Amino acid sequence: DGGITQSPKYLFRKEGQNVTLSCEQNLNHDAMYWYRQDPGQGLRLIYYSQIVNDFQKGDIAEGYSVSREKKESFPLTVTSAQKNPTAFYLCASNRGGNYGYTFGSGTRLTVV
Amino acid sequence: KQEVTQIPAALSVPEGENLVLNCSFTDSAIYNLQWFRQDPGKGLTSLLLIQSSQREQTSGRLNASLDKSSGRSTLYIAASQPGDSATYLCAVRSEIQGAQKLVFGQGTRLTINP
Repeated sequence: DGGITQSPKYLFRKEGQNVTLSCEQNLNHDAMYWYRQDPGQGLRLIYYSQIVNDFQKGDIAEGYSVSREKKESFPLTVTSAQKNPTAFYLCASNRGGNYGYTFGSGTRLTVV
Repeated sequence: KQEVTQIPAALSVPEGENLVLNCSFTDSAIYNLQWFRQDPGKGLTSLLLIQSSQREQTSGRLNASLDKSSGRSTLYIAASQPGDSATYLCAVRSEIQGAQKLVFGQGTRLTINP
């Protein structure tokens, strides 16, 4: 079945560490997105990529970085510059046009 | 700036009732509107997608309507079941700063009591 796979499901980060969240899709979608979800704040866009080797900052990009070397993959790195990284991270994809978005199952990141 | 509001924030009803969830948005220039379901600790599952030119979409016991001119959408759930308990999110796709983006409401947490 086609879909989006996010890994790991749970991730723990020590202060000062960089961590990378994986997002892989087999839907052949051109566009991919990273969202952050905090209680009571809804989903906020971190980064998005509409084509391989190109990506743009979303509303809350500071402290995060991404790459898009393959159509299927859009990893998100949470750097030590992100001061409050504890959140639920969701990856999504879209085939373009006016089609809907498909979401992965999420990664919960906790700072320890 | 596009803003999406969902009312109520939480709703608890007995099993078997029909119910309506509301979503409003401030800018009527949207491409489409999508309703999602989210179970605790899980990702988002798409329920219905309504294009800007459409008035409603149906899937099983779910019916979503769109009134773009007034900036409103409703999600109607018929004959509710305990398995419908989840958070329901509304999102509109709009052009923001030259790019199409999805803007989310904060969700309605629905509890169906057996």
